[in-house]
Amino acid sequence: QVQLQESGPGLVKPSETLSLTCTLSGASISGYYWSWIRLSPGEGLEWIGRVYTSGITHYNPSLKSRVTISVDRSKNQFSLKLTSVTAADTALYYCARGGGGGYFDSWGRGTLVAVSS
Amino acid sequence: QSVLTQPPSVSGAPGQRVTISCTGSSSNIGAVYDVHWYQHLPGRAPTVLIYGNNNRPSGVPDRFSGSKSGTSASLAITGLQAEDEADYYCQSYDSNLSGSVVFGGGTKLTVL
Repeated sequence: QVQLQESGPGLVKPSETLSLTCTLSGASISGYYWSWIRLSPGEGLEWIGRVYTSGITHYNPSLKSRVTISVDRSKNQFSLKLTSVTAADTALYYCARGGGGGYFDSWGRGTLVAVSS
Repeated sequence: QSVLTQPPSVSGAPGQRVTISCTGSSSNIGAVYDVHWYQHLPGRAPTVLIYGNNNRPSGVPDRFSGSKSGTSASLAITGLQAEDEADYYCQSYDSNLSGSVVFGGGTKLTVL
């Protein structure tokens, strides 16, 4: 049973870069799609993007210009970078397995990131 | 504004049946894409309730069922229980967004 754990700073200043890492345990990162999803206060779930274990990515068009998702197979991790953040990027960020045509079958517990000076 | 439209809230008494709708368009639900449903309890990670329109993962009670018709989908919950109080989200993909994942705005289920 795969388990996912998000990690990274809980506070980021406006205009800076939000960086999060998702570490997998209990299963290999190989052969799957891995996604980042966020839940903003008062909003619903928003898909940020995905990476396949080959490194091929696909991003939400609304965030594409600011997002980079990468995979590190040696560490069984994948990461999110979101540049030029504003208060609107304050959210609970989840990493999850899926997003390549099917459903998300495993999720991390989420990590809260606040954007504030 | 979510690509898939859900009612913001629904409610029902214990033992009753409720349905949650998810309305899309010809580029998502009405296309080749399946609909999946998630339950999100406060402080917990979302979990899949229904996948592939009408399939339940092992461990999900048969009180939960899903359906899809045209450009809409529905989640039905029968025999409502207090522990069903949660947020529910539908999910699909959209060809107008290059096959991106799309979610509904979420529905808060209140058990009266």
